Amino acid sequence: DVKVTQSSRYLVKRTGEKVFLECVQDMDHENMFWYRQDPGLGLRLIYFSYDVKMKEKGDIPEGYSVSREKKERFSLILESASTNQTSMYLCASSPEGYSGANVLTFGAGSRLTVL
Amino acid sequence: GQNIDQPTEMTATEGAIVQINCTYQTSGFNGLFWYQQHAGEAPTFLSYNVLDGLEEKGRFSSFLSRSKGYSYLLLKELQMKDSASYLCAVVDSNYQLIWGAGTKLIIKP
Repeated sequence: DVKVTQSSRYLVKRTGEKVFLECVQDMDHENMFWYRQDPGLGLRLIYFSYDVKMKEKGDIPEGYSVSREKKERFSLILESASTNQTSMYLCASSPEGYSGANVLTFGAGSRLTVL
Repeated sequence: GQNIDQPTEMTATEGAIVQINCTYQTSGFNGLFWYQQHAGEAPTFLSYNVLDGLEEKGRFSSFLSRSKGYSYLLLKELQMKDSASYLCAVVDSNYQLIWGAGTKLIIKP
């Protein structure tokens, strides 16, 4: 019954490494999102996508990029990981429409530690 | 700036009732969400309010007052499985989601 799958639950990387976080949804949703979740802070939007090959910056895009080559897959890329990118990363998807007012379906998260 | 306030942590007893408050100051309002997140798991949708009033869904109810910038989530007949974080999020005038930091609810036997 898993609907949003994040490929890695736990990753440990070294500073400067390139990191790929993969997310796949099976609900045929148009919208996909990457958030990071840190203690004491609300979810912060990194990037989102309304359609294949489309991407929009969220609130904290610096240091990240994304790729959406297929509708069901949305990848988050850290070109050169830094220690301040140690966090929980959550992928989400939602149906077409005004994205903010749609219910989000989240993946279980990828906890990244950068040493 | 935009701001969502929720208590950081609350403790309640199994079988009791608990109310988790959320106050917000945002540029416009197009609805308010509550999500539940168990430790190490994905947040899951609980409720969406866009009009004032109380909406009930089984043991969970959500209330909204737009004039006061205030919502609460009411959980009745608490069960141990209700131990989780509860996230409040507001849809602003640009239809972007603004998230609170979440309330960690601890249920004791």
